[in-house]
Amino acid sequence: DQQVKQNSPSLSVQEGRISILNCDYTNSMFDYFLWYKKYPAEGPTFLISISSIKDKNEDGRFTVFLNKSAKHLSLHIVPSQPGDSAVYFCAVNQFYFGTGTSLTVIP
Amino acid sequence: EAQVTQNPRYLITVTGKKLTVTCSQNMNHEYMSWYRQDPGLGLRQIYYSMNVEVTDKGDVPEGYKVSRKEKRNFPLILESPSPNQTSLYFCASSSQGAGGGYTFGSGTRLTVV
Repeated sequence: DQQVKQNSPSLSVQEGRISILNCDYTNSMFDYFLWYKKYPAEGPTFLISISSIKDKNEDGRFTVFLNKSAKHLSLHIVPSQPGDSAVYFCAVNQFYFGTGTSLTVIP
Repeated sequence: EAQVTQNPRYLITVTGKKLTVTCSQNMNHEYMSWYRQDPGLGLRQIYYSMNVEVTDKGDVPEGYKVSRKEKRNFPLILESPSPNQTSLYFCASSSQGAGGGYTFGSGTRLTVV
């Protein structure tokens, strides 16, 4: 049974607009939530993380939001750039990963 | 350059022939992990290590072994590979545990026929 779910396999966004990637998890005891980006033929690259004691963390164009009551995590990318086109994975405690969302940013 | 190096990048082998995928990091990280990536299943953790001689099972450890005799190396051993172990494998390391971002290697694509 999947502990972490990314229900949108793909997402297309116009350059300059906001990209919102979503992730749901099952266990309210998880401590840390992370987002990774993956280009083809490369390993995932760490983007941003948030601990369960916070509800928001920002790093430049990337913001992660945590809604503990809904067990929901989201990544906002503003503004989106063509170089952001990649597969994005959410992860919990480095142990459970989602199946990924493929983001395409259209120039 | 700080990196995690996996070898080989590609490997085709036959069922039952023991193999080792090597992983080395040059960042003096305590934490290291192995994952496999399969279509529709995302990344699943196989084994992880919190330091030298300290390893533990991840989500899918069956059919795999690991060792951590030195801090920089964390090899993945398949004693008797089977076709269901055909997958893309990633090694990763971190200076922190659950909350720290991992640095991943470039992956090893293994095919067992």
